[in-house]
Amino acid sequence: QSALTQPASVSGSPGQSITIACTGTSSDVGDYDFVSWYQHHPGKVPKLMIYGVTNRPSGVSDRFSGSRSGSTASLTISGLQAEDEADYYCTSYTNRGTLVVFGTGTKVTVL
Amino acid sequence: QLRLQESGPGLVKPSETLALTCTVSGGSLSCSNYFCYWGWIRQPPGKGLEWIGSVFYRGNTYYNPSLRSRVTISVDTSKNQLSLKVTSVTAADTAVYYCARLYSSSYHLDLWGQGTLVTVSS
Repeated sequence: QSALTQPASVSGSPGQSITIACTGTSSDVGDYDFVSWYQHHPGKVPKLMIYGVTNRPSGVSDRFSGSRSGSTASLTISGLQAEDEADYYCTSYTNRGTLVVFGTGTKVTVL
Repeated sequence: QLRLQESGPGLVKPSETLALTCTVSGGSLSCSNYFCYWGWIRQPPGKGLEWIGSVFYRGNTYYNPSLRSRVTISVDTSKNQLSLKVTSVTAADTAVYYCARLYSSSYHLDLWGQGTLVTVSS
């Protein structure tokens, strides 16, 4: 099973906006509204940031937003802050029998 | 409030079986108000998160094909626990192992355990 493809790293200055792409196929991202995004600080528990492509859980800053075009989902972080520096992972439902497929992960660096 | 807690040996010898338990407290593993699955995820040192597999509370399982031949995930609703077994482990199985709830409304992992480090070494 192939993982969803994410850029290895993305960086930006405080206050800027960055976008992380998550590319899948018609078996996952392209055909289902079940893309989620997680923030993972080293040594901490991953935190759900976006679910159902565009939905934010209660308590997650509105600086985080999700979208999708075709088989590529995206996470945008607006007004970048130092605390946003972390690893980010996308996941999607997949019809290939495993239920879920993870992205390769993206390290976000705040310059 | 629902909580998940992983437990098990922190050190396993090569070729042996890794066995972990995840205890669900503050609620039911059977998720009476909605459907949910329970999953295992791991992160080897310096690498990304890897989906191991999941189990529906009624016992249906779904495994990562790369691990399917060595992995068994099961639930014990009487104990409110799910378990993970990985056979014939090698150093490549050294990782932090997380259990999590997969909420079936949109297949997102909304609750995670704290994670437990398992090292494979002789």
